[in-house]
Amino acid sequence: RKEVEQDPGPFNVPEGATVAFNCTYSNSASQSFFWYRQDCRKEPKLLMSVYSSGNEDGRFTAQLNRASQYISLLIRDSKLSDSATYLCAVTPASGGSYIPTFGRGTSLIVHP
Amino acid sequence: NAGVMQNPRHLVRRRGQEARLRCSPMKGHSHVYWYRQLPEEGLKFMVYLQKENIIDESGMPKERFSAEFPKEGPSILRIQQVVRGDSAAYFCASSPPGLSGYEQYFGPGTRLTVT
Repeated sequence: RKEVEQDPGPFNVPEGATVAFNCTYSNSASQSFFWYRQDCRKEPKLLMSVYSSGNEDGRFTAQLNRASQYISLLIRDSKLSDSATYLCAVTPASGGSYIPTFGRGTSLIVHP
Repeated sequence: NAGVMQNPRHLVRRRGQEARLRCSPMKGHSHVYWYRQLPEEGLKFMVYLQKENIIDESGMPKERFSAEFPKEGPSILRIQQVVRGDSAAYFCASSPPGLSGYEQYFGPGTRLTVT
């Protein structure tokens, strides 16, 4: 099993739709979780951190399910500009160097 | 507050030449990470550095690749005797002291093409 797995998609949704992505991780001791957004041929940009209690930023909601070892990202009222690849990142709890492992990303296409 | 800077943005090298990629972290950040990304693939960790120290180079090939982050100046990722398989986007990320690996901010990347 890969350390961090994401459905590559693409998720093809109309404007205004609600869409959700999951990201599963294999290390139960993982401590920190993040969602990044990456546009085509651009760098990843930090979208939001994922806290145990869940967190919301406008149309975006991130949640953590430790029991099932996955994090999720929910996007409400999708905009055309949300079209991008969404990467999750998981950082181990120990080991010294705290290097995050990134998923391969989920592609989202929002169409008119 | 300038973000992470990388140069060059595009680099073309012939097989056998050397490639030098530079990264200046965000102001106040002392941790630098290098990643490689191939088309349709995820970010692969290469090396993690702090000023004058390599903390973790477990993702970097043992041969031809080296990295440094000197006391003064940018971090350098050096690839000697490049081969076609080195063609990729190389991203640098930085994070502030005390929060290593928690929130990373990426530079625009260097796209290396080996002909």
